[in-house]
Amino acid sequence: EIVMTQSPVTLSVSPGERATLSCRASQSVSSNLAWYQQKPGQAPRLLIYGTSTRATGIPARFSGSGSGTEFTLTISSLQSEDFAVYYCQQYNNWPPLTFGGGTKVEIK
Amino acid sequence: EVQLLESGGGLVQPGGSLRLSCAASGFTFSSYAMSWVRQAPGKGLEWVSGVSGSGATTYYADSVKGRLTISRDNSKNTVYMQMNNLGAEDTAVYYCAKDNRGNYYTAFDYWGQGTLVTVSS
Repeated sequence: EIVMTQSPVTLSVSPGERATLSCRASQSVSSNLAWYQQKPGQAPRLLIYGTSTRATGIPARFSGSGSGTEFTLTISSLQSEDFAVYYCQQYNNWPPLTFGGGTKVEIK
Repeated sequence: EVQLLESGGGLVQPGGSLRLSCAASGFTFSSYAMSWVRQAPGKGLEWVSGVSGSGATTYYADSVKGRLTISRDNSKNTVYMQMNNLGAEDTAVYYCAKDNRGNYYTAFDYWGQGTLVTVSS
């Protein structure tokens, strides 16, 4: 099973600032990596798939990069609606599909 | 518009059973693999099980193998999860999720609102 590790666990950022979230895989997942956003009481929302392709309707301030075992989600200028928990997920080696533990982006 | 609507959650005693349903609409249901993903209270996301578009192939996380059974009825655009011999560790919100690409297991582009399963005496 591929273990996904996200860092930091909590990220404190001021509105308008840049946020950089990391995700590391225990072995290569090629570019088969997705990112999700989840707000309290809501289902996750797909942001990025294939490491860097934005899902339908996702603003350009969200971008993904990386390959192999190291991946990054960048939010270029945080808006109030971006404060949430973010998860990465690999789909290169399955079953099982595996998620990271999440990074909470909170208001500084 | 794609919609996924789960039902069937509730309170069940340890060792009990429950059947979850997820009614889908707005896409060609049989062309897409579907999965169940759960989230224990205050915890992260855990993929539980997936089923191919035809229903012929199923996959499970080791934590649920032998106790949970996924299936689908393409005539009703519905995916199911039969849950047996439930334990406290199965307490979670259960989401059904649609594959982004088709009859594959990749990212999930649509999720239901979730149904809460609570295992407690």
